[in-house]
Amino acid sequence: SQTIHQWPATLVQPVGSPLSLECTVEGTSNPNLYWYRQAAGRGLQLLFYSVGIGQISSEVPQNLSASRPQDRQFILSSKKLLLSDSGFYLCAWITRRGGLAGYTFGSGTRLTVV
Amino acid sequence: GQQLNQSPQSMFIQEGEDVSMNCTSSSIFNTWLWYKQDPGEGPVLLIALYKAGELTSNGRLTAQFGITRKDSFLNISASIPSDVGIYFCAGLNYGGSQGNLIFGKGTKLSVKP
Repeated sequence: SQTIHQWPATLVQPVGSPLSLECTVEGTSNPNLYWYRQAAGRGLQLLFYSVGIGQISSEVPQNLSASRPQDRQFILSSKKLLLSDSGFYLCAWITRRGGLAGYTFGSGTRLTVV
Repeated sequence: GQQLNQSPQSMFIQEGEDVSMNCTSSSIFNTWLWYKQDPGEGPVLLIALYKAGELTSNGRLTAQFGITRKDSFLNISASIPSDVGIYFCAGLNYGGSQGNLIFGKGTKLSVKP
């Protein structure tokens, strides 16, 4: 079956510390992968998407970066966190099989920068 | 860039009432999606629409892909307390190097028992 794993579920980090959030998918190959951020009570903001290994597109300039070292692994990173990086981070994937697609989100990571 | 206008922003309804929300865009999409998000969870896909004019149901939910490909609506019939949450529309143009979902800002639904 097709599943998406995202961890950790919650994270509290001090300002200036590094960040690494990981997302992995199972049961599919060559998916499009996405990182979204959601501020409290707000909509979803696309941060990065990847259509393949090593291919990263950034939607907004920010303190974050993304990498895709393997087909089913998508990593969100920061060298030095800012208070404004706090939020709910969601990973998602879409398959590329003709007209059918799986649009699935992970369970999210709640990041609090203190 | 592409934007989706979702309305209403919030709704307070009585249990048993029907609900309607919609999304419009200045751009064409070839796929429309509707998600529901419970607090502290990731969005869960409710309905996916792939063809202009398509009308699709999922239990008490009905969604339509507008004929112009620039809009979609979601209806919930006979609402119940567990329908509470935030509903998002999303548009997608799938193909080539593209594939990013564009989300509306969400409709927060509250249901009074």
